[in-house]
Amino acid sequence: GESVGLHLPTLSVQEGDNSIINCAYSNSASDYFIWYKQESGKGPQFIIDIRSNMDKRQGQRVTVLLNKTVKHLSLQIAATQPGDSAVYFCAENMGMDSSYKLIFGSGTRLLVRP
Amino acid sequence: GAVVSQHPSRVICKSGTSVKIECRSLDFQATTMFWYRQFPKQSLMLMATSNEGSKATYEQGVEKDKFLINHASLTLSTLTVTSAHPEDSSFYICSALGQVSYEQYFGPGTRLTVT
Repeated sequence: GESVGLHLPTLSVQEGDNSIINCAYSNSASDYFIWYKQESGKGPQFIIDIRSNMDKRQGQRVTVLLNKTVKHLSLQIAATQPGDSAVYFCAENMGMDSSYKLIFGSGTRLLVRP
Repeated sequence: GAVVSQHPSRVICKSGTSVKIECRSLDFQATTMFWYRQFPKQSLMLMATSNEGSKATYEQGVEKDKFLINHASLTLSTLTVTSAHPEDSSFYICSALGQVSYEQYFGPGTRLTVT
């Protein structure tokens, strides 16, 4: 899992390599998860989501894996590009009873080396 | 579609003054909006859930008398930071909840600096 604190974990990858970003979530009852990308000084941008009835979902160059047994999410980015450099957050959607509010993970900074 | 704007994008105010931040859903109606605060190198922390026509629901530890939220229409929520102090300097981000997909659409954020 990720530690909460003042320093974001950083993943440095070579351009063209695959990236894997991990996230641990806390609520075993959560049934909807989202990955966001945040560039410096901007709001979060939706990347991909997954519901708890799935363990894998693929998008364009991205794949999200969900392991409910250990409450773990991962985001895989294929053929990482310089434009992928950003901070990535996972988020749990707390569902209808909580007005669909999101609880964000602590984030991972992805640096892509040219 | 599903565009959310915030105004202003940056604001500098003096300690003790109040500042208002607007969050607008430009092409859809949102009965629910959310306000987040993000300190440097940290994650987004939910401050409150803003509901059109009713009182906002604040997260634990967030002072409702300091962070006033008004959601008077289906496309506009405002956050007023009252009697701002330097420790209130932060990046404030809003989101609007889609009424079909229940996805949150995020605004671009407002950088508040209190001097």
